[in-house]
Amino acid sequence: NAGVTQTPKFRILKIGQSMTLQCAQDMNHNYMYWYRQDPGMGLKLIYYSVGAGITDKGEVPNGYNVSRSTTEDFPLRLELAAPSQTSVYFCASRPGLAGLGEQFFGPGTRLTVL
Amino acid sequence: DAKTTQPPSMDCAEGRAANLPCNHSTISGNEYVYWYRQIHSQGPQYIIHGLKNNETNEMASLIITEDRKSSTLILPHATLRDTAVYYCIVGDSGGYQKVTFGTGTKLQVIP
Repeated sequence: NAGVTQTPKFRILKIGQSMTLQCAQDMNHNYMYWYRQDPGMGLKLIYYSVGAGITDKGEVPNGYNVSRSTTEDFPLRLELAAPSQTSVYFCASRPGLAGLGEQFFGPGTRLTVL
Repeated sequence: DAKTTQPPSMDCAEGRAANLPCNHSTISGNEYVYWYRQIHSQGPQYIIHGLKNNETNEMASLIITEDRKSSTLILPHATLRDTAVYYCIVGDSGGYQKVTFGTGTKLQVIP
């Protein structure tokens, strides 16, 4: 299993541009998450999904959109990129057992908006 | 969600036990305590979790106080590769809940 994969690893955007961060998992996990981590800070939840077709907002959803058309994929869309969105983005998944369960994280995408 | 409080940083000599404390005084009865760590800028890695009883796995031990208001993660023989930021988080057992990782404890293992 490849686990949780994220593309791209790095990206530089200009203000106002848009992009999609890709996340895929091959573990047949129901739950998937998107976090952002600003320098020196902990992770903040952007969006999460409990299964295909079901998504919900986390702590910091403004400026982002998500979709979950398949169990495997959970892309994060940035529209009209702003410097405040400069961060490292992590995708995670878990089987869907009771409680948080063990979340499996991807390697992250480092995004800079100039 | 219950909030957690951790010291910002700790040092530990290589080969010694590292004891990382966490306060979660507002934890409710159905909330678990989870520990993750983040090495350098990699994605966080799950370590261990527990509800009431002490837990042990191949990576660490988790000691939860009887009143469940605090816990301690123990790395029995710290190595240089254990240098990381350690996050203590709590979450309930019913479906998904919105949790934050906080800023964690930066553990520096010293040769």
